[in-house]
Amino acid sequence: GAVVSQHPSWVICKSGTSVKIECRSLDFQATTMFWYRQFPKQSLMLMATSNEGSKATYEQGVEKDKFLINHASLTLSTLTVTSAHPEDSSFYICSVPREWDEKLFFGSGTQLSVL
Amino acid sequence: DQQVKQNSPSLSVQEGRISILNCDYTNSMFDYFLWYKKYPAEGPTFLISISSIKDKNEDGRFTVFLNKSAKHLSLHIVPSQPGDSAVYFCAATSGGATNKLIFGTGTLLAVQP
Repeated sequence: GAVVSQHPSWVICKSGTSVKIECRSLDFQATTMFWYRQFPKQSLMLMATSNEGSKATYEQGVEKDKFLINHASLTLSTLTVTSAHPEDSSFYICSVPREWDEKLFFGSGTQLSVL
Repeated sequence: DQQVKQNSPSLSVQEGRISILNCDYTNSMFDYFLWYKKYPAEGPTFLISISSIKDKNEDGRFTVFLNKSAKHLSLHIVPSQPGDSAVYFCAATSGGATNKLIFGTGTLLAVQP
């Protein structure tokens, strides 16, 4: 079964609205989770590292005020795309590292379309 | 600056033959490499990995080769099956497998029956 649950799978929203994406670790606790973004025909690009109990670490070029990350518990991280614009349309994927064997598990992804 | 490159955007192979997917990297600090398989609208699925202390790792039909001097790795799938058709990403990291991954652009593999 799935180790990481990501919701929603797809979302269509109007420009200017905010969208929240959830990433849940189902089998183990995780102090760290990663958020990636993939544009069509491009590679997955790391956006930020979500840290439980502290602020997220953002990659260069990623606006922290636009992509709000909250790692509320050891099994849940959320990514909120605030004031979404059409250029934010992309495939967002979370990943969760399992520390004891250093394996990385990915969510099923969220396809965001901003009209 | 693309630190991990997959120069072949697509590859077509006959069922039963060998599929060879290539990946090049530029950062000599990378010490762990992974291959993922991805279907459309789904998250990547881990296939196989290799540490920089090795030059080969094998798991069933999948073998990954690492040439550190050339900063090149390849994934061999033999025999190829139609169910192997997907996009394959190589990824690299430094400081451990759970550290942030740098992905290549992917290669679309089509295995023809």
